[in-house]
Amino acid sequence: KAGVTQTPRYLIKTRGQQVTLSCSPISGHRSVSWYQQTPGQGLQFLFEYFSETQRNKGNFPGRFSGRQFSNSRSEMNVSTLELGDSALYLCASSPPYRAYEQYFGPGTRLTVT
Amino acid sequence: AQSVTQLDSQVPVFEEAPVELRCNYSSSVSVYLFWYVQYPNQGLQLLLKYLSGSTLVKGINGFEAEFNKSQTSFHLRKPSVHISDTAEYFCAVSDSIIQGAQKLVFGQGTRLTINP
Repeated sequence: KAGVTQTPRYLIKTRGQQVTLSCSPISGHRSVSWYQQTPGQGLQFLFEYFSETQRNKGNFPGRFSGRQFSNSRSEMNVSTLELGDSALYLCASSPPYRAYEQYFGPGTRLTVT
Repeated sequence: AQSVTQLDSQVPVFEEAPVELRCNYSSSVSVYLFWYVQYPNQGLQLLLKYLSGSTLVKGINGFEAEFNKSQTSFHLRKPSVHISDTAEYFCAVSDSIIQGAQKLVFGQGTRLTINP
């Protein structure tokens, strides 16, 4: 079974721009979660989607948003990028009825200059 | 809300020596606990998980962990490490917010360095 895939793997953007990251979950998984990883703050939960609905949201500003499509693929968007948004963004998917068990993709490394 | 503390930020070990990476979590009625490994420039790989039952959990790559409810700990161990075990290790607890929704709360990570 193919794992979680994320595109693109690397991205360089300028402050003030916006960015969209994509995540395809493992086949059969309907829950998708997003995390931000930085050296200073570690791994922090952004949001979780299930059946196209956001079920849970972390403590991030409204510039961070996401959505999920009917095929369970998910995107996250960051508007008005700031230097502090430079991070590794990780997507994880979970098997049915086991949302606590999360399998991660390789991440998208975002650099904001 | 749950929290996780990894007691060592860095652990250097010689090859073939045993290793223990320590993790403590805040108490709760019931918890699901996980250890993940992250190799350079990669995502997180699930090493092992504790959901219920036996307190000794075996995972991939020869790792095991012991759940200790009274000490709220979930330490990771390996009897003999290899150079390829050099990586960052994260302990995580599942925090249930609403029915069905879960998020993982991670520790700050432990960088394991294996020296020849």
